[in-house]
Amino acid sequence: GAGVSQSPSNKVTEKGKDVELRCDPISGHTALYWYRQSLGQGLEFLIYFQGNSAPDKSGLPSDRFSAERTGGSVSTLTIQRTQQEDSAVYLCASSLEPRGGNSYNEQFFGPGTRLTVL
Amino acid sequence: DQQVKQNSPSLSVQEGRISILNCDYTNSMFDYFLWYKKYPAEGPTFLISISSIKDKNEDGRFTVFLNKSAKHLSLHIVPSQPGDSAVYFCAARPLEETSYDKVIFGPGTSLSVIP
Repeated sequence: GAGVSQSPSNKVTEKGKDVELRCDPISGHTALYWYRQSLGQGLEFLIYFQGNSAPDKSGLPSDRFSAERTGGSVSTLTIQRTQQEDSAVYLCASSLEPRGGNSYNEQFFGPGTRLTVL
Repeated sequence: DQQVKQNSPSLSVQEGRISILNCDYTNSMFDYFLWYKKYPAEGPTFLISISSIKDKNEDGRFTVFLNKSAKHLSLHIVPSQPGDSAVYFCAARPLEETSYDKVIFGPGTSLSVIP
């Protein structure tokens, strides 16, 4: 399939451990976004990549969270020393290069990674 | 403070009837509004959008209405079908973020269409 893929689909970890979540965007999509959805909440923006750079990291909740993108493609979201409040579904989305102005490029979402911190 | 609000966490509608999902926002500088639909265990999928220069956009059974003075938009689904049962997210793009399509999502409304 040519959609956004994420791995793993589910991750259960113990408090204090580090986790890495992977996102493979749609080929040719230069923009990549990470969101998380906690139970009963909406989608919370975490970070935006244009190519390999991240001009907006404003949504990362703490310095335990980091993300990188290599080759303008795959992105990894890393959470260090996980806490129970990190439990959520982490969603990745990609889109074509933004055109700005009175237009909008649809974001295509992956199925998400459900993270459970015990 | 939530900038995009969906005050109804859930909604039940009979098949064939109209579904109306509501969304309110606080930032008058939003310039683009979107609706995404999400099935369980799947990522959200884009449904329909509207620019702030319009007050209505229609796509098949789906119509979005925008009332800028009231800072309110709504999604109408007519006629509703059981396959429309999903969580619907309202989202808005701040004008100052047009350089990269950053959007702010509401908490979602779970729609159940009863056969």
